[in-house]
Amino acid sequence: EDQVTQSPEALRLQEGESSSLNCSYTVSGLRGLFWYRQDPGKGPEFLFTLYSAGEEKEKERLKATLTKKESFLHITAPKPEDSATYLCAVHSTGNQFYFGTGTSLTVIP
Amino acid sequence: KAGVTQTPRYLIKTRGQQVTLSCSPISGHRSVSWYQQTPGQGLQFLFEYFSETQRNKGNFPGRFSGRQFSNSRSEMNVSTLELGDSALYLCASSLLDSIYGYTFGSGTRLTVV
Repeated sequence: EDQVTQSPEALRLQEGESSSLNCSYTVSGLRGLFWYRQDPGKGPEFLFTLYSAGEEKEKERLKATLTKKESFLHITAPKPEDSATYLCAVHSTGNQFYFGTGTSLTVIP
Repeated sequence: KAGVTQTPRYLIKTRGQQVTLSCSPISGHRSVSWYQQTPGQGLQFLFEYFSETQRNKGNFPGRFSGRQFSNSRSEMNVSTLELGDSALYLCASSLLDSIYGYTFGSGTRLTVV
């Protein structure tokens, strides 16, 4: 069964304390893996797309990496404004999108 | 440029009624998808439309339907509302193929009482 699992469910960090979020997936074939950020009361905001194992993308304090079975979102020296829910989604070769339930990140000043 | 616009933002309906939600995609985007988001289930894919044709469908009952117009605007309809249909309904648009990622609207918060 195709599925996406994110861990941890919730993460509290001190400002400046780097960490990583995990997204593991099981799909018959991968067309792409997406990371989104969602703030309360808003729709998800697109961050990255990764297409193949070994690929990396960076944006400010965020860096996404991809292996054959999982993706990591590394957050370096986070700031309070990075607090949000981070969602991972997989687009399968069967043209289906599967979202994880997200990691709720809180960065404490 | 204007983002994805969903109307209305909030809606309260009574069990058994039907509801229609509207989505205007980013100009030029031809792919429109709909998702249901609930605290327990996360984002669940409803359906995707491309050039007025339903291209993909999730695992939801037939009470959930949608359509896309020639200007790419889309509507989704839920008939015979149930309490469990209370959720945030998100619309997302993509330029050509959803492989390039979606741009989401802010959603319609539907409450069924």
